[in-house]
Amino acid sequence: RKEVEQDPGPFNVPEGATVAFNCTYSNSASQSFFWYRQDCRKEPKLLMSVYSSGNEDGRFTAQLNRASQYISLLIRDSKLSDSATYLCVVTGSARQLTFGSGTQLTVLP
Amino acid sequence: EAQVTQNPRYLITVTGKKLTVTCSQNMNHEYMSWYRQDPGLGLRQIYYSMNVEVTDKGDVPEGYKVSRKEKRNFPLILESPSPNQTSLYFCASSFTGGGYNEQFFGPGTRLTVL
Repeated sequence: RKEVEQDPGPFNVPEGATVAFNCTYSNSASQSFFWYRQDCRKEPKLLMSVYSSGNEDGRFTAQLNRASQYISLLIRDSKLSDSATYLCVVTGSARQLTFGSGTQLTVLP
Repeated sequence: EAQVTQNPRYLITVTGKKLTVTCSQNMNHEYMSWYRQDPGLGLRQIYYSMNVEVTDKGDVPEGYKVSRKEKRNFPLILESPSPNQTSLYFCASSFTGGGYNEQFFGPGTRLTVL
């Protein structure tokens, strides 16, 4: 079983839609959680950290469910510029970051 | 400008010809690492370094070497490249290790081994 699993998509949504991605992780001792964004084979960039209480940054909301070992990312009012691959990242068993393989999002005009 | 740089950005080589991909950061970060990215597999860590002269294996270290003689530089060495090392490589750095800090990535090096 992969340490971090994501639905690869692709998710094709119209502008203005709300879209949600989930990510599950296998190591119950994981402590740090992040969402990174990667544009078309460019370098990943941090989108947001995920905190136990959940957190919001503008149109983006991240949630953590430790009991079920998943994290989620909600994007409201999708923009064309949100089209990218979203990477779920978890601190793994050796305290190194483990990346999911990514969920591809395309926002359509 | 705070950044991580990698060179070369693109490289086509042949099996067995030693190569080095350089990585440099100007943020005084202690932690540096190398990843490779392959379709469907996500980013996998090759090697990482917690500080100068401290390096350790990641998930896929076979066929790679690294060194950390200076804080800012972390070169990736392929002594005898093989076609299965064809991939997109990213160098990254962060203030400290342990998976708690934002990773800053270089622009990537696309390597093809024929």
